[in-house]
Amino acid sequence: GQQVMQIPQYQHVQEGEDFTTYCNSSTTLSNIQWYKQRPGGHPVFLIQLVKSGEVKKQKRLTFQFGEAKKNSSLHITATQTTDVGTYFCAGPNFNKFYFGSGTKLNVKP
Amino acid sequence: NAGVTQTPKFRILKIGQSMTLQCTQDMNHNYMYWYRQDPGMGLKLIYYSVGAGITDKGEVPNGYNVSRSTTEDFPLRLELAAPSQTSVYFCASSYTPGQGINIQYFGAGTRLSVL
Repeated sequence: GQQVMQIPQYQHVQEGEDFTTYCNSSTTLSNIQWYKQRPGGHPVFLIQLVKSGEVKKQKRLTFQFGEAKKNSSLHITATQTTDVGTYFCAGPNFNKFYFGSGTKLNVKP
Repeated sequence: NAGVTQTPKFRILKIGQSMTLQCTQDMNHNYMYWYRQDPGMGLKLIYYSVGAGITDKGEVPNGYNVSRSTTEDFPLRLELAAPSQTSVYFCASSYTPGQGINIQYFGAGTRLSVL
C-alpha cells in the first residue's frame, strides 16, 4: 500500500534558527497537503500543493512539491516559539489520505 | 458554524466494554473520516465514508465499526475494548478529494484509555 514517510521525527532548534521537514511518498501524488498540530490540539490545514515543482510561501513558511510529485518539504525561516508543534504531510489516494508520521518541532526561546 | 464536533472529549473504558464515539459536522461535507493517533505517531485511518449510507475500511479497521445514516453524523463504535485501542481519536470531514483544494477539518479529538 501507499506509504508516506517524514523526516526527521524530532527537531529541537533555538529561536531564530531555520527548520526543514521532508516528506516522501512511495507513489506519485496528485497533490500533497501540510497540517500543523499544536501540543494537545488537532491537525489544522496549512496548504495544498498540486503542480510539479510548485513552491508556495506563507510568511516565514516555504512549501515545495518535488518535480516527480513524490516528495515535498516545509521550511520555516527564523523560527519563533509560536511555531512549536508537529507538522504532518498528507497524500491522497482515491478517497483516502495517508499521513506521514510527522515532525515534532520544539523551539527554545 | 461549529465545524466538526466530537463527544466525549475524554473516556476511560475497562477491557471488554463497548462505547460509541460521536462525530457531527455542519459543513455539508460528503466525506468523513475517523483516525487514531497513538502517542508520538501520525494519523492512521480507521474508516471513512463518501456519503450517507456508504462506508469503507481504512488502514486499521479491526475492532471498530461505523455507520453513516445522515450527512452530518459519523459515529465510531468500539466493541470489546482492548488496551491496544488506547489512543486519541480524531474525526474529520472534507469536500470531495481530488477536486480543488480539499481541506480536511478535524474535530478536537476524543482521548480514550482502556484499562
